[in-house]
Amino acid sequence: GAVVSQHPSRVICKSGTSVKIECRSLDFQATTMFWYRQFPKQSLMLMATSNEGSKATYEQGVEKDKFLINHASLTLSTLTVTSAHPEDSSFYICSARDRGSFSPLHFGNGTRLTVT
Amino acid sequence: KQEVTQIPAALSVPEGENLVLNCSFTDSAIYNLQWFRQDPGKGLTSLLLIQSSQREQTSGRLNASLDKSSGRSTLYIAASQPGDSATYLCAVSKAAGNKLTFGGGTRVLVKP
Repeated sequence: GAVVSQHPSRVICKSGTSVKIECRSLDFQATTMFWYRQFPKQSLMLMATSNEGSKATYEQGVEKDKFLINHASLTLSTLTVTSAHPEDSSFYICSARDRGSFSPLHFGNGTRLTVT
Repeated sequence: KQEVTQIPAALSVPEGENLVLNCSFTDSAIYNLQWFRQDPGKGLTSLLLIQSSQREQTSGRLNASLDKSSGRSTLYIAASQPGDSATYLCAVSKAAGNKLTFGGGTRVLVKP
């Protein structure tokens, strides 16, 4: 079945640094990928919709200059957390749907970000 | 604005019992509803996808029903096993290829 690979699975960084998270669709092309954030024991909250070849669409309250999204190809989207702060510590998950199909969304295994 | 609620938030049952997980949504104009499983610290695994025109979907011991008009879906897991312990999330989509709105999840513990 369709597989979405997310890397890294876990990252620890210092305040003020930037962290890049990659999301790849391994066996299908995805014109749209979604980035979610999940705090402990809470559900997933959509941060932004990543569109191949165009600017991402951010949800209300999500700072686009802080969470930079690049969807340079049909199989890769990246989320960069810039100037990270401890409150950015969270679980970030990407998802993608096979282009042109009615298949369900496939999710990556998530990235646990800890900012010290 | 669509809101998705899952009740109960947590559930503990002995092995072998059937599980019933509930999901409700406020806006019945959905395109589809999806049930996911999430293990601790992991991503989501899609379990069942129900299109708005469907009433139910089945996969092995799992059965999900959808009553769009009343804004409800139920996930049934028959003959629960300890390996079924996880958080189960339901999510609805307003249109094809559109973003999902998630419920808060139900944390399930199946005791051996």
